[in-house]
Amino acid sequence: AQSVAQPEDQVNVAEGNPLTVKCTYSVSGNPYLFWYVQYPNRGLQFLLKYITGDNLVKGSYGFEAEFNKSQTSFHLKKPSALVSDSALYFCAVRALNTGGFKTIFGAGTRLFVKA
Amino acid sequence: SQTIHQWPATLVQPVGSPLSLECTVEGTSNPNLYWYRQAAGRGLQLLFYSVGIGQISSEVPQNLSASRPQDRQFILSSKKLLLSDSGFYLCAWKGSGNIQYFGAGTRLSVL
Repeated sequence: AQSVAQPEDQVNVAEGNPLTVKCTYSVSGNPYLFWYVQYPNRGLQFLLKYITGDNLVKGSYGFEAEFNKSQTSFHLKKPSALVSDSALYFCAVRALNTGGFKTIFGAGTRLFVKA
Repeated sequence: SQTIHQWPATLVQPVGSPLSLECTVEGTSNPNLYWYRQAAGRGLQLLFYSVGIGQISSEVPQNLSASRPQDRQFILSSKKLLLSDSGFYLCAWKGSGNIQYFGAGTRLSVL
């Protein structure tokens, strides 16, 4: 079955330090991979996606993600965290499922950036 | 440009009362539309999706139903709310590149 896992419920990082939010996936075939961010009491916002091509994808707000096919991972990264990056982050994978293509979201990782 | 509207933003309803949440999309035609529920600020549960007027697919059996009476209108309903229906409800549409665009959400509290 297709699945996506975010192994950390919460990530804490100091402002100015690099951050990584982890995501691994399990799909048959080539996946479409996405990261979304959710601020309190708001809907999700698209950050970046990987379809094909360069394994390093750059997105909004200085975020980037690296697709690693051998490790089936798509970790979200940022070189220098800001307090305003504190939010809930979702990894998602779009893959062929019974009934057609579907987007599956991870459980989310809460990022706390401390000043 | 495309926009998505959801209302109301918050709703407090007694157990056993009916529910109607509305979602509309502007600036696009025949979009795929989705209703999600998010419990306790965590993961998303896909409730319904629609690929066109009158076409509804239900992902999980539950106390809720959905309808799409117009191309860009998606409604989530219940005849009798349960306590377990409380949560944050999100509507989304699928744009190019399979990116989903979300509304601001409705926080439903069933008391």
